[in-house]
Amino acid sequence: ETGVTQSPTHLIKTRGQQVTLRCSSQSGHNTVSWYQQALGQGPQFIFQYYREEENGRGNFPPRFSGLQFPNYSSELNVNALELDDSALYLCASSFGGGRFDTQYFGPGTRLTVL
Amino acid sequence: GIQVEQSPPDLILQEGANSTLRCNFSDSVNNLQWFHQNPWGQLINLFYIPSGTKQNGRLSATTVATERYSLLYISSSQTTDSGVYFCAVNRDDKIIFGKGTRLHILP
Repeated sequence: ETGVTQSPTHLIKTRGQQVTLRCSSQSGHNTVSWYQQALGQGPQFIFQYYREEENGRGNFPPRFSGLQFPNYSSELNVNALELDDSALYLCASSFGGGRFDTQYFGPGTRLTVL
Repeated sequence: GIQVEQSPPDLILQEGANSTLRCNFSDSVNNLQWFHQNPWGQLINLFYIPSGTKQNGRLSATTVATERYSLLYISSSQTTDSGVYFCAVNRDDKIIFGKGTRLHILP
């Protein structure tokens, strides 16, 4: 049984660019949630995908978008990057579509926007 | 929206000491979870505890939903317990994390 993996580990972009982050869920899990964690803060919920459909969204603008694929892996896309988008991006997988059942987190992608 | 407050913000203890971390929330919630984030950023789920008490080894947690708080107890601390402890509450389709308690265990 493999855990949650994320790629890339680190990423540096400039303002205005677009970025795609990837997440492979734990084997057997069909739900993926994405979080943004700024330095010194708790994670903030971006959105959740269950069986390829968005299943809830936090207070993030539409330039944050996502996808879930038939194998339940997921992508987070951020357009028109801003300096404040610099953060650790975490994905978490769970089973069953219950909004926030026990979640298993990946190691994160650290995004720096210059 | 729901406010989640954790205390204390920082805690420094000697190895072997016990500690109690607190999480207060401002409104009724569907669920509450405790997480540990290690110094490398990995977030681990410790407890899924909407009410009552659970224990797992040296860690235990109690949630009193009617009074809107939860406590995380760590006994006989080890250096590997260092990191940030977060509580998170969910209501409807939202999950809100507190700012965390940063715990540093000295050898």
